[in-house]
Amino acid sequence: EAGVAQSPRYKIIEKRQSVAFWCNPISGHATLYWYQQILGQGPKLLIQFQNNGVVDDSQLPKDRFSAERLKGVDSTLKIQPAKLEDSAVYLCASSYITGTLNEQFFGPGTRLTVL
Amino acid sequence: QKEVEQDPGPLSVPEGAIVSLNCTYSNSAFQYFMWYRQYSRKGPELLMYTYSSGNKEDGRFTAQVDKSSKYISLFIRDSQPSDSATYLCAMSPTSGTYKYIFGTGTRLKVLA
Repeated sequence: EAGVAQSPRYKIIEKRQSVAFWCNPISGHATLYWYQQILGQGPKLLIQFQNNGVVDDSQLPKDRFSAERLKGVDSTLKIQPAKLEDSAVYLCASSYITGTLNEQFFGPGTRLTVL
Repeated sequence: QKEVEQDPGPLSVPEGAIVSLNCTYSNSAFQYFMWYRQYSRKGPELLMYTYSSGNKEDGRFTAQVDKSSKYISLFIRDSQPSDSATYLCAMSPTSGTYKYIFGTGTRLKVLA
């Protein structure tokens, strides 16, 4: 079974630039998550999708971050404009269903550096 | 106060030692307790999960939950250099979106 795919793996940008990350979840997984992991901290949930609908985006900085999951499969997370404090690893995870505990499978992450 | 507290370490132990990793939490609604392992430059992978209180054993790993003290532990017996990683605890309630709240992670290094 293929795992969660993410690209790019690394990205370096200047502050105020925009950046986009892509995630392809495990086939058949209806729930998709984007997490932000700042160095030395645990992952923090940014947004959770169930199919192509948003379940939880309470911690997404909506003035600069946006995410979409068209057709309920792949997802993109965008930051515009980026700030220095956005430097982090952005992890995508997927699980089979929501509404009960289901193991979240994580991708390798995209490491973003904002200069 | 953070919902989940975890000592960031780093923790260095000799090969073969018993390792104890711990988390405390404040939200009594948490019912699912998970331990994830994260190798450098990789995503987290689930090691074990426990529902409510009690112990769970899987090979060299034992997870314990003490809900009365709001304290969870992961024990690693006969630790190996390949166990060197960051260990993240995560917790979830049994309602709503089952949102995971992660600890900061403890960096573990097992010395050969």
